[in-house]
Amino acid sequence: RKEVEQDPGPFNVPEGATVAFNCTYSNSASQSFFWYRQDCRKEPKLLMSVYSSGNEDGRFTAQLNRASQYISLLIRDSKLSDSATYLCVVNKSGGYNKLIFGAGTRLAVHP
Amino acid sequence: ETGVTQTPRHLVMGMTNKKSLKCEQHLGHNAMYWYKQSAKKPLELMFVYNFKEQTENNSVPSRFSPECPNSSHLFLHLHTLQPEDSALYLCASSQEGVTQETQYFGPGTRLLVL
Repeated sequence: RKEVEQDPGPFNVPEGATVAFNCTYSNSASQSFFWYRQDCRKEPKLLMSVYSSGNEDGRFTAQLNRASQYISLLIRDSKLSDSATYLCVVNKSGGYNKLIFGAGTRLAVHP
Repeated sequence: ETGVTQTPRHLVMGMTNKKSLKCEQHLGHNAMYWYKQSAKKPLELMFVYNFKEQTENNSVPSRFSPECPNSSHLFLHLHTLQPEDSALYLCASSQEGVTQETQYFGPGTRLLVL
């Protein structure tokens, strides 16, 4: 089983749609969780950290379910500029700086 | 953004060449990383340096040789590479010891081995 699993997509949605991505992780001892965004041929950039209580940043909402070991990202009112690959990232147990990246979920928002 | 810079941005080399990738971080961080990203694959962690000391070598072949002269600079020396080593090589930095710390990436070096 992969340490971090994501549906590769692509998710093709119209502008204004709501879209949700899920991610599962295998290590129950993981403590830090993030969503990164990667545009085509660019470096990954932090989108948001994921906290146990869930967190929201504008149109983006992240949730963590420790019991089921999954993380979700909800994007409301999709914009064309949201088109990118979204990477689910989990820290390896015992080390805050050893991050494991999922392969990413590709989102394409169309007019 | 100029937090983490990498040079060169693109590199084409033959299998017998020797080249080096350079990374510099201007964020005052104490940890630096090398990652490899091949097409349609997740980022693979290669090396981790904390306070200039290598703390992780993720079973990387010896044809990749990292060097960290200080906490702001990181190099990846390349020699006798194979075509399958063609990939995007990303450098990142973070502040070790901070819960929920994030890693900040440089723009990457796109490497093609002929």
